Amino acid sequence: SYELTQPPSVSVSPGQTASITCSGDKLGNKYASWYQQKPGQSPVLVTYQDNKRPSGIPERFSGSNSGNTATLTISGTQAMDEADYYCQAWDSSTGYVFGTGTKVTVL
Amino acid sequence: EVQLVESGGGLVQPGGSLRLSCAASGFTFSDHYMDWVRQAPGKGLEWVGRTRNKVNFYTTDYAASVKGRFIISRDDSKNSLYLQMNSLKTEDTAFYYCARAHCSGGSCSLDCWGQGTLVTVSS
Repeated sequence: SYELTQPPSVSVSPGQTASITCSGDKLGNKYASWYQQKPGQSPVLVTYQDNKRPSGIPERFSGSNSGNTATLTISGTQAMDEADYYCQAWDSSTGYVFGTGTKVTVL
Repeated sequence: EVQLVESGGGLVQPGGSLRLSCAASGFTFSDHYMDWVRQAPGKGLEWVGRTRNKVNFYTTDYAASVKGRFIISRDDSKNSLYLQMNSLKTEDTAFYYCARAHCSGGSCSLDCWGQGTLVTVSS
């Protein structure tokens, strides 16, 4: 089955850039999406089709996908960005696959 | 306002059955693929399955972990999505979310989520 691997945690200072990686076999050949989930809340889509943002998502969130790695970048990180982040891709054999999740801490 | 509201969660014994519902409003439900995603307490997200729309013959896909036990259905006349869960196991304990799929350019992502309903499988 297809798997997506993320680092368990990422720490970032306010105003700095946070990068969260998502690794999977030939992930660059698929479209990747990213979701943000704050404690006690439902997930929210922050990027889709590798690098598109839904309406209402701040410009500081951007995505990229190439080779075996997709990356979510948060520029000018704010305290409100502290959350769990999950990547996601569709695999023809497995269906939707979510990454293992990354906890972003804004120190 | 786009809204998804799940209901039907609760405590059920191993081997039992439960049916979850998801009421949709604020958008044309019949146009969209709809998915179920679950999250065990303190754990990550796990996709459960999907139903496509009428144009795509309401076909369904399931995660290997639930295939043959869970059934996803929908009633477009009631703007409702359902998840029939049979032969439940303790490892099915989780918050269950319904989510709307936004599909374009050959890919789909989940752009609207309900608040979730908790299913606890325990004796």
